[in-house]
Amino acid sequence: QQPVQSPQAVILREGEDAVINCSSSKALYSVHWYRQKHGEAPVFLMILLKGGEQKGHDKISASFNEKKQQSSLYLTASQLSYSGTYFCGTDFSAGNMLTFGGGTRLMVKP
Amino acid sequence: DTAVSQTPKYLVTQMGNDKSIKCEQNLGHDTMYWYKQDSKKFLKIMFSYNNKELIINETVPNRFSPKSPDKAHLNLHINSLELGDSAVYFCASSSTGDGYTFGSGTRLTVV
Repeated sequence: QQPVQSPQAVILREGEDAVINCSSSKALYSVHWYRQKHGEAPVFLMILLKGGEQKGHDKISASFNEKKQQSSLYLTASQLSYSGTYFCGTDFSAGNMLTFGGGTRLMVKP
Repeated sequence: DTAVSQTPKYLVTQMGNDKSIKCEQNLGHDTMYWYKQDSKKFLKIMFSYNNKELIINETVPNRFSPKSPDKAHLNLHINSLELGDSAVYFCASSSTGDGYTFGSGTRLTVV
């Protein structure tokens, strides 16, 4: 079952913050986050395992709410380099294939 | 050294032809995957394969078949190509509990 991402698109000015959400109707084992720039491959950002943990590096962080089966990606003080399409990928048990959400297009303007 | 490499990068072919896309990873990962990305950017899982098990997404037509000569390679064969097969195909690899590393993609155009 495909996770649902929101919003579908967001436009920011440099320095603004954004939140991207990823929801599942089924209990999740893990949530992955990826960023894909135009014409390139998706690049892994981080993975969160069930247990409600939060992770982050630099100004990008994410949380996983096991009760709501929802993960959120937080982009703080956005930079031009953050532009791209963000995908969440979910699986329901260890070793399962990831199913990706429809993506969130993020554009950061000067 | 490229971690996950795919060839060719571009592939233009006629309907009805059979084609293959090659994928190799040098990361020592135990699982490899094929994903299809359509024009709306939707990433759809096609196959997952490790040295023990092949998992096929049931929605994938049987014209598509993965072939793995060894742990570092997972090739994709497509028979009787159709217009709807036009897409970007990504190979990826991972170890359990880690993120996926994607190849640079193969843009397939069927005319």
